[in-house]
Amino acid sequence: DTGVSQDPRHKITKRGQNVTFRCDPISEHNRLYWYRQTLGQGPEFLTYFQNEAQLEKSRLLSNRFSAERPKGSFSTLEIQRTEQGDSAMYLCASSLGGQINQPQHFGDGTRLSIL
Amino acid sequence: GESVGLHLPTLSVQEGDNSIINCAYSNSASDYFIWYKQESGKGPQFIIDIRSNMDKRQGQRVTVLLNKTVKHLSLQIAATQPGDSAVYFCAEIPNDYKLSFGAGTTVTVRA
Repeated sequence: DTGVSQDPRHKITKRGQNVTFRCDPISEHNRLYWYRQTLGQGPEFLTYFQNEAQLEKSRLLSNRFSAERPKGSFSTLEIQRTEQGDSAMYLCASSLGGQINQPQHFGDGTRLSIL
Repeated sequence: GESVGLHLPTLSVQEGDNSIINCAYSNSASDYFIWYKQESGKGPQFIIDIRSNMDKRQGQRVTVLLNKTVKHLSLQIAATQPGDSAVYFCAEIPNDYKLSFGAGTTVTVRA
């Protein structure tokens, strides 16, 4: 399977702990996106990268959230000092950038549960 | 199974019938639109896309219609099958990168 891969699929942790999620995009895609989805809602944009550059991060939910894509391939999303309200599905997507109107393809997400 | 013109959060359709799912988008500057299918426990799966210079596009068993005048999208599924049961989202791109999702429609196919 050469689709978008996310790890772990599920994460359960106690409030106050730090968590990190990984996303491996489709190999030829230079754009990578992070979204958050809560129950019954559509995904909500958080941030995106073109290669290793983070071009938009104003939608990250607070300064506890950070994302990296150090070599322009895989990306990590970290949440520090987790809170109950962080419980959600975190989705990663990738696309070909630099070409107009290319669809974003999603992974199956990491479901985060805060105890 | 239809909800002509109106977005409904749920749609029940008999297997073999055609389905129509409606979506209203918000930004008149959006020039690209995508329909996604999301099954339980999975990420959104790309179904079909359409650019703003088109008003209709067909895929395999699916057709997307775009009405820019009233900012409305619809997804038609022909001969609906049990595997079509899922939540369907439309998404618009008002800029170059950020998908903005509409309210989803849960489609249930009756055998």
